[in-house]
This record gives sequence, structure tokens and C-alpha cells, in this order.
Amino acid sequence: GENVEQHPSTLSVQEGDSAVIKCTYSDSASNYFPWYKQELGKGPQLIIDIRSNVGEKKDQRIAVTLNKTAKHFSLHITETQPEDSAVYFCAATPYTGGFKTIFGAGTRLFVKA
Amino acid sequence: DAEITQSPRHKITETGRQVTLACHQTWNHNNMFWYRQDLGHGLRLIHYSYGVQDTNKGEVSDGYSVSRSNTEDLPLTLESAASSQTSVYFCASSDGRGQTGELFFGEGSRLTVL
Repeated sequence: GENVEQHPSTLSVQEGDSAVIKCTYSDSASNYFPWYKQELGKGPQLIIDIRSNVGEKKDQRIAVTLNKTAKHFSLHITETQPEDSAVYFCAATPYTGGFKTIFGAGTRLFVKA
Repeated sequence: DAEITQSPRHKITETGRQVTLACHQTWNHNNMFWYRQDLGHGLRLIHYSYGVQDTNKGEVSDGYSVSRSNTEDLPLTLESAASSQTSVYFCASSDGRGQTGELFFGEGSRLTVL
């Protein structure tokens, strides 16, 4: 089955700097790669996703890149702000509809003002 | 607005007791999921359902059961609670009819087994 590894587990950056979180996956059949943000005391919420037919996707200050050959995908946050502080999860699945979405262990991001 | 709600949000129980965590969604989604969240493990899938009367085991299903009698609800039952089941539990749903794989999560239920 799919296995997703996520690094680093904790990341601390200064406000305005960039943050990068990296994930690797094992199942070459995976074709959907979402990223979720979890604020304290809340459930995870989708912030961006990418499909295997796309190498990069951007939405304002966040971007995701995918290298299918190397089975790597990454989340990039530019111009970080204190409200970006949260736990971020990468995930992978070969299915649509949310089936069998396998999550990484999470990265706790601290943005220092 | 459509939403997904979990109850109770916090529960303390004793080893061996039966516990049921409720999950109710008003998205009219076919797919519903239960995950547990533990430090260092991220979110791990316990059970999932494609629709009414359908249930399937996830990667950490031992000691848990679910039932799906209607579209809106997927209760999670711990038949005989164990300390290893102390965790935060998240229910989620998704629209299986679309091409997106987005999961909509509830706010979680924190369970402590003493």
C-alpha cells in the first residue's frame, strides 16, 4: 500500500521568509496529492492540491510542485505570515473521491513575528 | 451552510467500556471516513463507507466498528476501549461523484481511555 513520508516534522521561520515542506510517496499509481492545513483545535482543511498530469500549481502565496519520476512533492509558502502557523499534512491517493487518502505525519510550522 | 459535526468533542472513559463517537454531515456526500490522529503518525484511516449499508476497513481498524444506516451519519464504536485508543478522532466526508478528492473534516473528538 501507499506510504507517505513528510519532512521536516517542525519548521520555524521568520515572518516574511519562505517555508518549504517536502513529501515522498511510494505507490507509483498515486495521482492526486492534496495538502491540508490544521489550525489548533480544528480539523484539517484543504489548501491546495495537484494531480499527476501537472508539475506545478500556484495559488497566491502557496505553491505545490510534483516530480512523479522521483515520487516527490513539495509545498512552498512565500512571504509567510503569523496566521500561516499551523500543522500541514501532505497526502497521496490513486483514487478520486477521497478514497484511501494516505497522509504524511505532519509538519508543525511556526512563523515568528 | 453544509457542515460536518462530531460529538462528543471530549470524552474520558475507562478501559473495557464501549464508546460511540457520532459523526453527522449535511453535505449529502456519499463517502464518509474515520481517521485517528496521533503525534508522529499523522492521520490514519480507521474505517470508511461509500454509501448506505457499505462499510470497509482501513489501515488501523482493529477494535473499531462502524455502521451506515443513512447518508448523513457514520458512528464509530469502540467495542471495548483500550488505552492504546486514546487519540483524537476525525470524521470526514467527500463527494464521490466529483473528480476532486477533497475531504471535509469535522472538528475532532478527543478520547481519553484510563
